[in-house]
Order: sequence, then structure tokens, then C-alpha cells
Amino acid sequence: GQSLEQPSEVTAVEGAIVQINCTYQTSGFYGLSWYQQHDGGAPTFLSYNALDGLEETGRFSSFLSRSDSYGYLLLQELQMKDSASYFCAVLSTGRRALTFGSGTRLQVQP
Amino acid sequence: KAGVTQTPRYLIKTRGQQVTLSCSPISGHRSVSWYQQTPGQGLQFLFEYFSETQRNKGNFPGRFSGRQFSNSRSEMNVSTLELGDSALYLCASTSGTGEKTQYFGPGTRLLVL
Repeated sequence: GQSLEQPSEVTAVEGAIVQINCTYQTSGFYGLSWYQQHDGGAPTFLSYNALDGLEETGRFSSFLSRSDSYGYLLLQELQMKDSASYFCAVLSTGRRALTFGSGTRLQVQP
Repeated sequence: KAGVTQTPRYLIKTRGQQVTLSCSPISGHRSVSWYQQTPGQGLQFLFEYFSETQRNKGNFPGRFSGRQFSNSRSEMNVSTLELGDSALYLCASTSGTGEKTQYFGPGTRLLVL
């Protein structure tokens, strides 16, 4: 089967940097995605890593280590609007569906 | 380009009833996936359709079914509703040809009483 682990909650202050970790167990790993979901909203795509290394998109970066089955999402210059739940999700070969982690609730404080 | 749309947005049903939810993908997208989101179980994959064929199925009972039409619109049906079916049902669309990003609709919030 497939499983992902990520912290349930993270709190940080405006302007700070926060890292959300994700470890996964899966067969036929294809890539790791990150999604953001505000309360009452739909998940929106943030980033995708298929290869080892760092992907940067503005204030957000995502890292993957396939050998360690580990990835993280890095959020810089935190803003209040970044308060949301963040999900890591695995895409495995042969499947066209995502297996999601349980989500990390990020609370940004002034 | 219009995003993924889902109807209805909210629904209240009673145990034993059945429900049909609708999803219209982004224009040109041929793959539609359905997910159930609950506080206890998180986001769980239900099934995926591509060109009117179910390509993938998650671990849900047979009460959950779906279909896709020739215009890529998809419906999911839940029969004999149980209290535990109360959830946010999300659909997501992709082109279906190797695209890694899934675009989610706003969801249908189903409450079973």
C-alpha cells in the first residue's frame, strides 16, 4: 500500500520561513506533489517533484530525496494568507490518482 | 479558461437515499478523478475516468459508482447513503495524457442525516 506522513500542525509568524516535511512509503513512486487548501476551498496545486532536488516557485520551494522517500515544502516570507492546510501527495506509476497525506495545518500569526 | 465546476455545491440527504453529483472538467481535459474528503480520513481517491472508461478505482464499496460522458463531464452516484458518507466530494481534472497537475473543483458538501 501507500502511506504518507506529515505533521498535523505548524505555527509560524509573518515574514518567517517554515518547512513542512513529508515522508512516504509507496511502490512504483513517480512523483511528489504539494497542494494548498484554504478552509472551505478546493485544493490548489503548488509544486511537483519527480527528480531529486529543489524546485522553486516564487516564495514556495519543494524538495525531494527519492533515496530517503522524503520531501518538504518550504514557504518563505510568510504572509497571513498562507494560513491553510498543506497536503503532500504521491503519484505512483500505473496510477493516475494521487494518494494524499493527512495534511498540515499552517497557522501564520502576526 | 473556465475551471472545474461541480453541482450541486451543497446537499442534504437522509440515510438510505441515493445521490448523484456532477462534475464538468476544464475544457479539453479528458480525465476526471473523484475524491472524498472527511476530517477523519482526509482526502481519499474514489475513481478516475478517461474517455468514458474507468481507469482506476480506490477502496470504496460498490455503493459508490461513477460514469463519464462523451463530453468528459462526469457523475458519481452513492446509493443507500450512510451517515459516514457525509463529506466533501471533490473532482479533479487533467488532460489525462501524463499531466501531473490535477485541477480541483470547489466540491460538493454532502450531509447525510
